[in-house]
Amino acid sequence: SQQGEEDPQALSIQEGENATMNCSYKTSINNLQWYRQNSGRGLVHLILIRSNEREKHSGRLRVTLDTSKKSSSLLITASRAADTASYFCATDRGSTLGRLYFGRGTQLTVWP
Amino acid sequence: NAGVTQTPKFQVLKTGQSMTLQCAQDMNHNSMYWYRQDPGMGLRLIYYSASEGTTDKGEVPNGYNVSRLNKREFSLRLESAAPSQTSVYFCASVVEDTKYEQYFGPGTRLTVT
Repeated sequence: SQQGEEDPQALSIQEGENATMNCSYKTSINNLQWYRQNSGRGLVHLILIRSNEREKHSGRLRVTLDTSKKSSSLLITASRAADTASYFCATDRGSTLGRLYFGRGTQLTVWP
Repeated sequence: NAGVTQTPKFQVLKTGQSMTLQCAQDMNHNSMYWYRQDPGMGLRLIYYSASEGTTDKGEVPNGYNVSRLNKREFSLRLESAAPSQTSVYFCASVVEDTKYEQYFGPGTRLTVT
């Protein structure tokens, strides 16, 4: 079964706007990760946030984690056409084996 | 440094045929994974290998077998392909120091008719 559930399923914005994607999960976690997938390609790791962290930044990316609500958000600021991709959250369900459980993803389209 | 490589990129099989998907990584990672990605389903773990010589089932192992040939290579075998196995297959390995960040290969697009 899917661990993460991203919403929205699809998001369409103009270049320069901010894009916010959300992820909810059901079990306890050690960390939560976000990945990006360009069309026809493999996934690329973007950022990892640990369960004891509330916010993390990497360039134009900002991730928040609320373990009490079992939810996370990914904010991409000043979006570019090159940010067009699918974005997935993944959790470990508390395991230390390195196994990940992915959500269904948000398809982001950024129009020039 | 090629990262994670997968062969073939595309494959069409008839129902009942067998084939092996190959995966290799040159990053000296211990753990490797096989996923399948279906439209609207995200990625689901088929099998994984925490180290050379060990393999374990993931969420959807039925119809598949794996071999961890050595530290670099982790292959996925379909013994008798079924249309339900039409999917995109991804291999990944994990960064040891962070343990959780996974590097993905480019995928194999498999169609079973």
